[in-house]
Amino acid sequence: EVQLVESGGGLVQPGGSLRLSCAASGFTFSNYEMNWVRQAPGKGLEWLSHISSSGSSIYYTDSVKGRFTISRDNAKNSLYLQMDSLRAEDTAVYYCARDWALDYWGQGTLVTVSS
Amino acid sequence: QAVLTQPASLSASPGASASLACTLRSGINVGAYRIYWYQQKPGSPPQYLLNYKSDSDKQQGSGVPSRFSGSKDASANAGILLISGLQSEDEADYYCMTWHSSAWVFGGGTKLTVL
Repeated sequence: EVQLVESGGGLVQPGGSLRLSCAASGFTFSNYEMNWVRQAPGKGLEWLSHISSSGSSIYYTDSVKGRFTISRDNAKNSLYLQMDSLRAEDTAVYYCARDWALDYWGQGTLVTVSS
Repeated sequence: QAVLTQPASLSASPGASASLACTLRSGINVGAYRIYWYQQKPGSPPQYLLNYKSDSDKQQGSGVPSRFSGSKDASANAGILLISGLQSEDEADYYCMTWHSSAWVFGGGTKLTVL
């Protein structure tokens, strides 16, 4: 069974940093591209970043370029999102999702940016 | 103007069919794009339903009932999610997505009410 479990969310002050993790199981992680997507409270979905299976190809949405960094460790079956210079508008549930089709999603981790 | 536009809400009766539209911005030809569809129920992560490019190039998500299907309306420049034989459990938010200019883009979502 494919499982994706996000962790690392919490309350952080504006300007602060947070590192999210996504632990994958039930499939060969190193064969799959991965994504981060977020959803602000009561709002729609916003794609953030995509990383290829090897990590050699990475894409970001404009609103997080230069602030967020996606990475992966295939030996640990894990995906990461380093988030710096956080703003109030980054408050959201953050999901990791598998593959080009985003065919499996984790349950999400809540990030709250507030003083 | 957003790349993908979805009506905010739609209502339909149990047993009927619902056609959810995802309209591409003027100047972006739907024929060239693969449209992905997701269902999200309150308090849960999105679930992948299917993707559609053409009748000969489409994929159904694992375990997704065949009463969920995709199509395109070229005259409206829109991707379509058709749900036949509506059930109360189909009440949810539905999001479309496509790859455009090196980024995944989501529509704003349609809230489907089954009543």
